[in-house]
Amino acid sequence: EAQVTQNPRYLITVTGKKLTVTCSQNMNHEYMSWYRQDPGLGLRQIYYSMNVEVTDKGDVPEGYKVSRKEKRNFPLILESPSPNQTSLYFCASSISGQGNYGYTFGSGTRLTVV
Amino acid sequence: AQKVTQAQTEISVVEKEDVTLDCVYETRDTTYYLFWYKQPPSGELVFLIRRNSFDEQNEISGRYSWNFQKSTSSFNFTITASQVVDSAVYFCALIKAGGSYIPTFGRGTSLIVHP
Repeated sequence: EAQVTQNPRYLITVTGKKLTVTCSQNMNHEYMSWYRQDPGLGLRQIYYSMNVEVTDKGDVPEGYKVSRKEKRNFPLILESPSPNQTSLYFCASSISGQGNYGYTFGSGTRLTVV
Repeated sequence: AQKVTQAQTEISVVEKEDVTLDCVYETRDTTYYLFWYKQPPSGELVFLIRRNSFDEQNEISGRYSWNFQKSTSSFNFTITASQVVDSAVYFCALIKAGGSYIPTFGRGTSLIVHP
């Protein structure tokens, strides 16, 4: 089944403790991206990647890191999480980033930083 | 800068009613794509439709229909004979064609369909 898999689905952590949210897709998509969803704000893009070793900032990159060492994986790293990063996170992939194919989203990761 | 406005924060209807979700966008680009996504209570985001800026034909898919009007920069979504399973948050999104890579999402409209 073609899908984007995120782990974990739920995570509660403490301020300052480094964490990684994994994202993997099995569709051989070149484009992958991360979003955060906050009440009243819709989805905002954090980072995106056009291909292996090619990443760039989205609208809200502060406090996050990403890497793309393999085509299928695009982990989101929070080096020192803070409470304002409590949010619902989505990973997405697409054949290309140019919008014409739409995006396939993962099931989401609900992160709480206390 | 791009902007997508979904002015309706929440809509509540009774089953079998028709309902229209509004989406108004702003962009200086001449070529772009518009999307609708559905987020049911389970939380995942489900792709519904993509429309490019050159194609103003309306589209119908079962009980769903979309009305794209470039003259008013709107891409509205109508559900006919709504059902409880249509209850979800619906997002409209815009991306510049050919190299932006950063879509702009609206804030979403929460649709509640009562039995």
